[in-house]
Amino acid sequence: DADVTQTPRNRITKTGKRIMLECSQTKGHDRMYWYRQDPGLGLRLIYYSFDVKDINKGEISDGYSVSRQAQAKFSLSLESAIPNQTALYFCATMASSGRVRGTDTQYFGPGTRLTVL
Amino acid sequence: KQEVTQIPAALSVPEGENLVLNCSFTDSAIYNLQWFRQDPGKGLTSLLLIQSSQREQTSGRLNASLDKSSGRSTLYIAASQPGDSATYLCAVNRGTSYDKVIFGPGTSLSVIP
Repeated sequence: DADVTQTPRNRITKTGKRIMLECSQTKGHDRMYWYRQDPGLGLRLIYYSFDVKDINKGEISDGYSVSRQAQAKFSLSLESAIPNQTALYFCATMASSGRVRGTDTQYFGPGTRLTVL
Repeated sequence: KQEVTQIPAALSVPEGENLVLNCSFTDSAIYNLQWFRQDPGKGLTSLLLIQSSQREQTSGRLNASLDKSSGRSTLYIAASQPGDSATYLCAVNRGTSYDKVIFGPGTSLSVIP
């Protein structure tokens, strides 16, 4: 089984609808991240969380909200979807302790392809 | 503001050829740089991570170099195979919290049998 899972894998919705993307991990990591990827662009950070009580905005948080329901679960919501939120969304995790400095890495889920019509 | 570019955007090579992918960044104050592989439907997989104090890292047929002074990193793939076909992303990270990671747009590689 995959260490980082995302549901749904694909979603088509209409402008104005509320959408929730979910991420679960079995790696026991406390840090979790949400990114979006647009064609021809690199991944951009939407929100990140260092533990259940610590939520932070990333570079492009407008129009999005998140919920860290448990250490293993981090959800991304689009309160009122719009077409320019059509993108590939990735969840990532990382451990925050016990790492050799500079050798830490993030682990990514398979992505959710969201289309807003 | 850190900007990361990758050249070329796409590359097609015959099997067995050695190749180099390029990554350029504008701010040399980095914590580390990573090369990722992206396969459709499978997310990103970390290939190599170079600390700011290092010049290169090697894993099997892959070798990544880092030159902070010139703002450049290269990923060298030796004896390419069709299974190497994927998109390769470089990511420049400014700190331990990974809240300031800038990803490049990627290079799409096709290795032709």
